[in-house]
Parts: sequence; C-alpha cells; structure tokens
Amino acid sequence: QVQLEESGGGVVQPGRSLKLSCVASGFIFSAYDMHWVRQAPGKGLEWVAVTSNDGNIQHYGDSVKGRLTISRDNSDNTLFLHMSSLRADDTATYFCARGRRGDWLILENWGQGTLVTVSS
Amino acid sequence: IQMTQSPSSLSASVGDRVSITCRASQNIKNFVNWYQQKPGKAPKLLISTTSNLQSGVPSRFSGSGSGTAFTLTINSLQPEDFASYYCQQIYMVPSTFGQGTRLEIK
Repeated sequence: QVQLEESGGGVVQPGRSLKLSCVASGFIFSAYDMHWVRQAPGKGLEWVAVTSNDGNIQHYGDSVKGRLTISRDNSDNTLFLHMSSLRADDTATYFCARGRRGDWLILENWGQGTLVTVSS
Repeated sequence: IQMTQSPSSLSASVGDRVSITCRASQNIKNFVNWYQQKPGKAPKLLISTTSNLQSGVPSRFSGSGSGTAFTLTINSLQPEDFASYYCQQIYMVPSTFGQGTRLEIK
C-alpha cells in the first residue's frame, strides 16, 4: 500500500537551514506529483509547495517563496524540502502528500509528518 | 484565494446533523476538497471537487456548493466523526486551506 515517511525534522536556530526528506513506497513514485503541507502547533493546515512528477515544475505558497525549495529524486523515490533562512513561524509539523494522477492538487495520501522547531 | 471556514468550532451530539461552510474570496467553480484530521494524525481526504466522496468514506458525509460557497454536511454523527475538518481550494496555485473546524462532543 502507499506509504510516505518523512524525516529530517528537529530543533534548528533561526536563520539556519534544514533539509526534510520523504521516502515513498507502494506506488510508482515517478508517476505522481508530490506536495509538502505544514501545520503549526495547534493551528490549521498550510499548503507549502508542489513538484510535478518529473520535477520540472514547482509552485510555492506565498509565505515560503524564496526560502523553501521542493525537489525530488525519482531514482530513490524520495521527495525533499530544503528550508533556508528559517524563522520562528516556520515551526510546524511538515507532511508530505501525494497528488492524484490527473488532478494534482487533490492530496490523496499523506505521511505522518516530521516536526521542525525553530528556536534559539 | 482566501478560504473562510465557519464555524471555527462546533459542539454536537451523536446522531446530530451538522454543516460546515467554506467561502472563497473569488469564484472557484467546484474546485474544493474536504479533509478530516484527528489529533496527532495526518489529514484524510474525504471529498474531492465539492461532492465526490472518496472510497471508504461513509455516505453520511456529503459536500455541496459552487462558485464561492461550499458546505460539508455530516448526517447522523458517529463517535469517530469528532475531529477537525478543513476545506481546500484547488482552483489555482497556490492552493489554500480554510482555517479549520473543530467538531466536539456536546
């Protein structure tokens, strides 16, 4: 079955960088668009970014443009989120999610998330 | 596009019928999804493009609306339905979620 497992979260100082990973299994990774969605503690969901199945197209939420970069390695079934110039308001659980084939913004499957805490 | 969801919280009893509303800041046709999230868990897709119930989701869940106003209705609430619910517009990128509705047991 579809499995998505995020890793790479932790405590990081403001202004530093962090790279999250999401390893996919149970489906043909290279056939699906992939997303990152985040959720600050006790808050709602915020869509962060999407990459097309071939990695050629990316789109970002307004609050993360220029600081967060989504990428993927289809040979390794892995999705990444490179986070730079981190701020306190980037503190959140980061979920990776699979888009539906043919309708990429429908988030059909989700990982369990990895927590990023930005604090000095 | 901003999605304004209401109410932010709702208390109801098992067996009740409840409705949650999302209003979009512009016409998004029928491009709205609904998700359920339980504490400490990942969100789960319930309904896509306004009214398409996902496989395995009970028929007591339904979605309706178009343009700028959308509704998620749950008939005959069951204990497992007490959770948070989010709408998401998929009319254009960046996609955006509503603020969420916490459904609590009365």
